[in-house]
Amino acid sequence: DVKVTQSSRYLVKRTGEKVFLECVQDMDHENMFWYRQDPGLGLRLIYFSYDVKMKEKGDIPEGYSVSREKKERFSLILESASTNQTSMYLCASSLRGVASNEQFFGPGTRLTVL
Amino acid sequence: KQEVTQIPAALSVPEGENLVLNCSFTDSAIYNLQWFRQDPGKGLTSLLLIQSSQREQTSGRLNASLDKSSGRSTLYIAASQPGDSATYLCAVEDSNYQLIWGAGTKLIIKP
Repeated sequence: DVKVTQSSRYLVKRTGEKVFLECVQDMDHENMFWYRQDPGLGLRLIYFSYDVKMKEKGDIPEGYSVSREKKERFSLILESASTNQTSMYLCASSLRGVASNEQFFGPGTRLTVL
Repeated sequence: KQEVTQIPAALSVPEGENLVLNCSFTDSAIYNLQWFRQDPGKGLTSLLLIQSSQREQTSGRLNASLDKSSGRSTLYIAASQPGDSATYLCAVEDSNYQLIWGAGTKLIIKP
């Protein structure tokens, strides 16, 4: 079974702090994704990566950056956390290049910024 | 721009009933459509994936259909159980391999 893990289930940070959210997948997937999920807004894509050291902006990249130094790991970075970044963050992975591949999700990290 | 809509936003039915959840999309140029389940405070679990060339997929008590020409998909749940209570999300994969999401239907099955 595909396994996608996220470093924390719950995280509380203060405004202005630098925050790292880590995601690791164990199925050698090329594609990795970071979403945030907010009530009434559904899932919104922040960034995605098709390969090591590659990254592409999603729909809402402002205030975020990412790092993909190894194939299995995709990190989301909040350079200076703000209260409007309080949200549920979901990481996903899938095989590359061929359409119609499933995305597999991690359990999510609920981030609260005070 | 592709938009995905799920109606209703919430649904409550007695245990044992068969039910249908709806998903519609505005652009028929999709690669696939996926249905996911999300339990409160948890991540997403993939239920069914229908490729653009397919009309339906089945898994146990779940059956998902796809009508690309009309931009509609349905998720049919037979003989509902309290354990089916969750939020159900549909998403379509576009030509950039990205998923476009609906806002979900919150389903409550009453014992």
